[in-house]
Amino acid sequence: EIVLTQSPGTLSLSPGERATLSCRASQTVSVNYLAWYQQTPGQTPRLLIYDASIRATGIPDRFSGRGSGTDFTLTITRLEPEDFAVYYCQQYAHSPITFGQGTRLEIK
Amino acid sequence: QAQLQESGPGLVRPSETLSLTCTVSGGSISTSFCGWIRQPPGKTLEWMGYIHYSDSPIYNPSLNGRVTISSDTSKNQFHLRMTAVTAADTAMYYCVKGEGWLVDYWGQGALVTVSS
Repeated sequence: EIVLTQSPGTLSLSPGERATLSCRASQTVSVNYLAWYQQTPGQTPRLLIYDASIRATGIPDRFSGRGSGTDFTLTITRLEPEDFAVYYCQQYAHSPITFGQGTRLEIK
Repeated sequence: QAQLQESGPGLVRPSETLSLTCTVSGGSISTSFCGWIRQPPGKTLEWMGYIHYSDSPIYNPSLNGRVTISSDTSKNQFHLRMTAVTAADTAMYYCVKGEGWLVDYWGQGALVTVSS
């Protein structure tokens, strides 16, 4: 099983700042099949990025993903109030499909 | 644009069997990967398994063989069955669908509480 470790656990920033979230895999994620989701309280996860760097439909360009192999990053430039949420990475290359434990992005 | 809706009991007794159904509208399940992801309160997401018409279902080994996912293409539904539930199985259960293993569509989620 591929274990995904996200860091930091909590990130405290102000609107307008830049956020950098990390996801590290215990083994290589083949074909960079790595996705990022955003979840706000009481809501279904929202797909932001897939295949490590492709923005999903309707996702603003302030969200970007990069990385390959075992190290992946989600960057949010110019934080908006609605961006404060929990973010999860997911690998969908290998069974079992796994998720990271999440990074909570909170308002400073 | 497919829509998925979970249905089933919101309360299950310990040691009994949890059963949920996902009804899909606006898209056929016939050629899709259909499955379940759950999320205990305050915790991360856990993939439970997928079913695909051309292959045997695949399950998360962490569930220790307690899970069965089946489908009824004539009704455009798929089902989750999990035996011997405990309080640790209390969670929001999401049905999901995709053309590959990446989820394209999520249901709204069904909260299932395991309690006597």
